[in-house]
Amino acid sequence: EVHLAESGGGLVQPGGSLRLSCAASAFTFSSHWMHWVRQAPGKGLVWVSRVNSDGSSTNYADSVKGRFTISRDNAKNTLYLQMNSLRAEDTAVYYCVSATITGGVNYFDYWGQGTLVTVSS
Amino acid sequence: DIQLTQSPSSLSASVGDRVTITCRASQSISNYLNWYQQKPGQAPKLLICAASSLQSGVPSRFSGSGSGTDFTLTISSLQPEDFATYYCQQSYSTPSFSFGPGTKVDIK
Repeated sequence: EVHLAESGGGLVQPGGSLRLSCAASAFTFSSHWMHWVRQAPGKGLVWVSRVNSDGSSTNYADSVKGRFTISRDNAKNTLYLQMNSLRAEDTAVYYCVSATITGGVNYFDYWGQGTLVTVSS
Repeated sequence: DIQLTQSPSSLSASVGDRVTITCRASQSISNYLNWYQQKPGQAPKLLICAASSLQSGVPSRFSGSGSGTDFTLTISSLQPEDFATYYCQQSYSTPSFSFGPGTKVDIK
């Protein structure tokens, strides 16, 4: 069974940094584009970032562009999200998500359990 | 950017009821529309991709339809385990992958 396990969340002060990791198992990690999706407490889902299968191409939501960096290590089956210059509005549960494309349609088929990031002084 | 709206934002229903949730896109997205279910304290789960393709393992009481700008998720006979929040998502205008605001289904 596919398993995605996030780690690295916690409490950080505004302006601080945090690095999230997502360890993948039981699927061909290196074949999948990977994403981060976040959810503020009591709010909806928001796409944050994606990386292609070999790590050579990345995209970001405007709200995190220039502050967050997504990367991956296919040898370690691990996805990362480096978050700098954190703001209170970045407080959320961050989900690691794998994507599959069928008939040209992208969909998010596997989700981790999420890791909570709290930005507060 | 493509905006998604969902209606209703919440609904109360009884076990056995037929439930329909609507998702509307701000512009045509063909069939690039997915549906997810999220229960409290859990990660979202993919139910339907490409507007109408049921994900493996998802009960057949769930169905999706639509194309262009208007889409529906239908639960033919609501079960106790279906009380959750449902989100639509577009994957037409990548890489934004925007989600709808969600529809909460709770017990009447």
